[in-house]
Amino acid sequence: DAMVIQNPRYQVTQFGKPVTLSCSQTLNHNVMYWYQQKSSQAPKLLFHYYDKDFNNEADTPDNFQSRRPNTSFCFLDIRSPGLGDAAMYLCATSRQGDPYNEQFFGPGTRLTVL
Amino acid sequence: GQNIDQPTEMTATEGAIVQINCTYQTSGFNGLFWYQQHAGEAPTFLSYNVLDGLEEKGRFSSFLSRSKGYSYLLLKELQMKDSASYLCAVGDSNYQLIWGAGTKLIIKP
Repeated sequence: DAMVIQNPRYQVTQFGKPVTLSCSQTLNHNVMYWYQQKSSQAPKLLFHYYDKDFNNEADTPDNFQSRRPNTSFCFLDIRSPGLGDAAMYLCATSRQGDPYNEQFFGPGTRLTVL
Repeated sequence: GQNIDQPTEMTATEGAIVQINCTYQTSGFNGLFWYQQHAGEAPTFLSYNVLDGLEEKGRFSSFLSRSKGYSYLLLKELQMKDSASYLCAVGDSNYQLIWGAGTKLIIKP
């Protein structure tokens, strides 16, 4: 089945220790998104890519970086995680030009910072 | 500014009907989405409205009034598995989604 895959599902890191989250998709969608979602809050868009064009949200901290080496894969790097970065990180994809630009989500990676 | 408002939490009884409201103020409008999110899981798509009126899909229906900046999600014949958060999201002028914080729906037997 075509899908969005995120690894790992659960990630534990130490305060200040860099961590990388990965996302892959078999939907061949050209748009990919990274969201941060804290408990009982709305998903917060961190970055998105239209193909290889990178778009950084204005309020995304510099501590967060992203890479998209090809259509299928996207990575979220947190250079120095703080306690406030503990959250669920959601990857989503969509196809630009689809009738209503539905976003398809991966299962998420829950990040714990000790 | 851009704003999506929905109730934080609602409780309903199994077999009943519940309506979850959403009001929005956004720069541009390219459709309104409803997503379902079970605890600890990713959001899954439920419905999309871009024209005024009611869209029905099985037990779930969604309504939109663009002039009022208002939508609702109607869930009929509630089942225990419907216990989840329901997120309202609006596509803005750049086709990015502006998200509400979600309404946690608790179903009681």
